[in-house]
Amino acid sequence: EVRLVESGGGLVQPGGSLRLSCAASGFTFSNFWMHWVRQAPGKGLVWVSRIKFDGSIKSYADFVKGRFTISRDNAKNTLYLEMNSLRAEDTAVYYCARTDWLDPWGQGTLVTVSS
Amino acid sequence: QSALTQPASVSGSPGQSITISCTGTSSDVGSYNFVTWYQQHPGKAPKLMIYEVSKRPSGVSNRFSGSKSGNTASLTISGLQAEDEADYFCCSYATTTTFVFGTGTKVTVL
Repeated sequence: EVRLVESGGGLVQPGGSLRLSCAASGFTFSNFWMHWVRQAPGKGLVWVSRIKFDGSIKSYADFVKGRFTISRDNAKNTLYLEMNSLRAEDTAVYYCARTDWLDPWGQGTLVTVSS
Repeated sequence: QSALTQPASVSGSPGQSITISCTGTSSDVGSYNFVTWYQQHPGKAPKLMIYEVSKRPSGVSNRFSGSKSGNTASLTISGLQAEDEADYFCCSYATTTTFVFGTGTKVTVL
């Protein structure tokens, strides 16, 4: 069974940092592009970032450029999102998803930025 | 990059058909045959329902269909059922390296 499990979310103060992880299983992780998508409470989905299967190409939404970094460790079947200079508006559930079709999605991890 | 425009809500009676629109621009929806649709039930992760405008993943009911004309993509749900009540989001390439979602549509089964 293809499975994605996010972790690393929590409460962080404005200006702080957090690293999210997405553990993949049930498929050959190193063959697939991976994405991060977020959803603020009660709001819609917003695309955040994408990384090529070998990590050589990364892209970001404009609102996270310079603050967030996507990476992966294919030996550990894990995707990461390093988030710095966090703002209140970054509060959201963060999902990882496989391929450009975004299929499947993990269950998400909640990041709350508040003092 | 602005979000694609969807109606906030659409409703229908069981058995009816409904269509959800997703309007972008000539730079996103109009430029790529890469529109996907997702269903999200409350408190759950989104689920892929349609990819590449009109293709259905294995396991998705054939009551769901997709199409595109110009800058507007559409998702049609035929034979509406109670379990179809959920939020639906479209998504498109915004550029060859970035993506943009729609504003989301709440589907209510009357």
